Amino acid sequence: EAQVTQNPRYLITVTGKKLTVTCSQNMNHEYMSWYRQDPGLGLRQIYYSMNVEVTDKGDVPEGYKVSRKEKRNFPLILESPSPNQTSLYFCASSSADRVNGYTFGSGTRLTVV
Amino acid sequence: AQRVTQPEKLLSVFKGAPVELKCNYSYSGSPELFWYVQYSRQRLQLLLRHISRESIKGFTADLNKGETSFHLKKPFAQEEDSAMYYCALFLYNQGGKLIFGQGTELSVKP
Repeated sequence: EAQVTQNPRYLITVTGKKLTVTCSQNMNHEYMSWYRQDPGLGLRQIYYSMNVEVTDKGDVPEGYKVSRKEKRNFPLILESPSPNQTSLYFCASSSADRVNGYTFGSGTRLTVV
Repeated sequence: AQRVTQPEKLLSVFKGAPVELKCNYSYSGSPELFWYVQYSRQRLQLLLRHISRESIKGFTADLNKGETSFHLKKPFAQEEDSAMYYCALFLYNQGGKLIFGQGTELSVKP
């Protein structure tokens, strides 16, 4: 089944403890992206990538890092999480021709205490 | 600056009534627009892509370049249409960036 897989689905962590949220797609998509969703603020893009080793900042990149060493994987790294990064995170991917738009993962609900 | 605007946070209609969810965009290039639907904070699902001109679940959307709009319409709303709807603009000249409007919550009452 063609899909975008995020792990973990739920995570509670403490301030300052480094964490990684993994994202993997099995559709050979070129584009990948991370979003956070907060009540009243909608979806805001954190980072995006148009191919291996090509990444760029979105609208809210502060406090996050990404890497794209392989086409299928696009992990989101929080080096020192803070409570304001408590949010619902979505990873998404798309082929270069966007014929099916962006496919989204199921989301990761992160709580930083 | 590129922007997607959905002016209504909440739209409430009765079952069987027509629905129109508004989306306006600001983009200097040729726009590529999408509508996504999200049920109860689940994953976003693609509803429509303007290039394909399909009708999905009875919804249609027409790109109006003169009015820079891409409104989503359905002639007869169903209760199962209740969800969050997001309009999105793909920025080809910015490495595949996809920007979203703030979303409109559609509530269909019985």
